[in-house]
Amino acid sequence: GAVVSQHPSWVICKSGTSVKIECRSLDFQATTMFWYRQFPKQSLMLMATSNEGSKATYEQGVEKDKFLINHASLTLSTLTVTSAHPEDSSFYICSARDLRGQGGPEQFFGPGTRLTVL
Amino acid sequence: LAKTTQPISMDSYEGQEVNITCSHNNIATNDYITWYQQFPSQGPRFIIQGYKTKVTNEVASLFIPADRKSSTLSLPRVSLSDTAVYYCLVGDLFRANAGKSTFGDGTTLTVKP
Repeated sequence: GAVVSQHPSWVICKSGTSVKIECRSLDFQATTMFWYRQFPKQSLMLMATSNEGSKATYEQGVEKDKFLINHASLTLSTLTVTSAHPEDSSFYICSARDLRGQGGPEQFFGPGTRLTVL
Repeated sequence: LAKTTQPISMDSYEGQEVNITCSHNNIATNDYITWYQQFPSQGPRFIIQGYKTKVTNEVASLFIPADRKSSTLSLPRVSLSDTAVYYCLVGDLFRANAGKSTFGDGTTLTVKP
């Protein structure tokens, strides 16, 4: 299947700093990518939809000024957690849709980024 | 977005066949059904996807009845490494916002020796 990568795989930062997470589709182009957040022993929660060349669409309750999303190319979306606080510590996962599947488009997920805010 | 319901947990033994059923009563005409596997601290991994009847690949089978209000993921001869959380997602994959899926609670499968 298609490959989606994330960088970094884990990051530790001090409270008040900003952290940028990259999501790349390695072998296909993705006009739309998605960002999820997952807390321990919980399911994935969709945060926002990242659209290439336009503004991201945020889910209800997600602060757009805190979680900045940029989708500058068809293979790269970035999520910047601004002024991070300990409650932002979580597992962040991106996904992208590959339209080439013979059985229909398939959504592939990145390996996730573990963010720990001290 | 169709809401899905799965059993919270299931136990099995190595070598057995495991069937996990997902209910999606309000599935829409254009919706596909996709199953993912997730290990701790990893992103979900695509297992199988289908629209109707039966789909089989090298790791699993997906059974979808005619009314499409449920689906069953079948894992043949599970091993300890199949211990994971399994998610069933339903959505229109061809829409521009496909992927705007709501993850349910998933099914935690525990395979015992």
